[in-house]
Amino acid sequence: KQEVTQIPAALSVPEGENLVLNCSFTDSAIYNLQWFRQDPGKGLTSLLLIQSSQREQTSGRLNASLDKSSGRSTLYIAASQPGDSATYLCAVDSNYQLIWGAGTKLIIKP
Amino acid sequence: NAGVMQNPRHLVRRRGQEARLRCSPMKGHSHVYWYRQLPEEGLKFMVYLQKENIIDESGMPKERFSAEFPKEGPSILRIQQVVRGDSAAYFCASSQPTGRVNEQFFGPGTRLTVL
Repeated sequence: KQEVTQIPAALSVPEGENLVLNCSFTDSAIYNLQWFRQDPGKGLTSLLLIQSSQREQTSGRLNASLDKSSGRSTLYIAASQPGDSATYLCAVDSNYQLIWGAGTKLIIKP
Repeated sequence: NAGVMQNPRHLVRRRGQEARLRCSPMKGHSHVYWYRQLPEEGLKFMVYLQKENIIDESGMPKERFSAEFPKEGPSILRIQQVVRGDSAAYFCASSQPTGRVNEQFFGPGTRLTVL
């Protein structure tokens, strides 16, 4: 049974810092991995999708990596801004069904 | 190109009533998924549908919950005789898989409150 874990559960850093969020999964037989952002009381915004054959994807200040063999993904956020404050969720696509981590709550202090 | 649409955004029901949640997928998408986010918990898969077919309902509670995606119109998640434990955010996603790439796009969610 696939299980997804995100560390840390919460993170508070000053504006401008680079930071890394971690996601691990127990079963390496995945199709894709997606990173999402969720603002309080709001919906889910897809940030990046990494296919199982890929090692990383980049979008603006975001870079996501995938090491399928070790069951790990990282989301790197460069030059953090207060607007990046949100909960970041990692989800693994194991045959069309997304299995979710509990999220990392990120606070960027001005 | 409108995204995934869900309505209502907020729904209040008394115990024992029925709740009907609607989801219109993105244009060109024929795959729909429902997920539930209980308060202070993570998201959990409920059901996967294609037009007129339920593909996987392994995450659906055995009783009171049903889902459909008719040939015409939105997908409906129906909860009969709601209880307080049904209070949650219900998210719908849609996709149009290309090979093994199945990026799911999410709607804003319906927040159900059972009094």
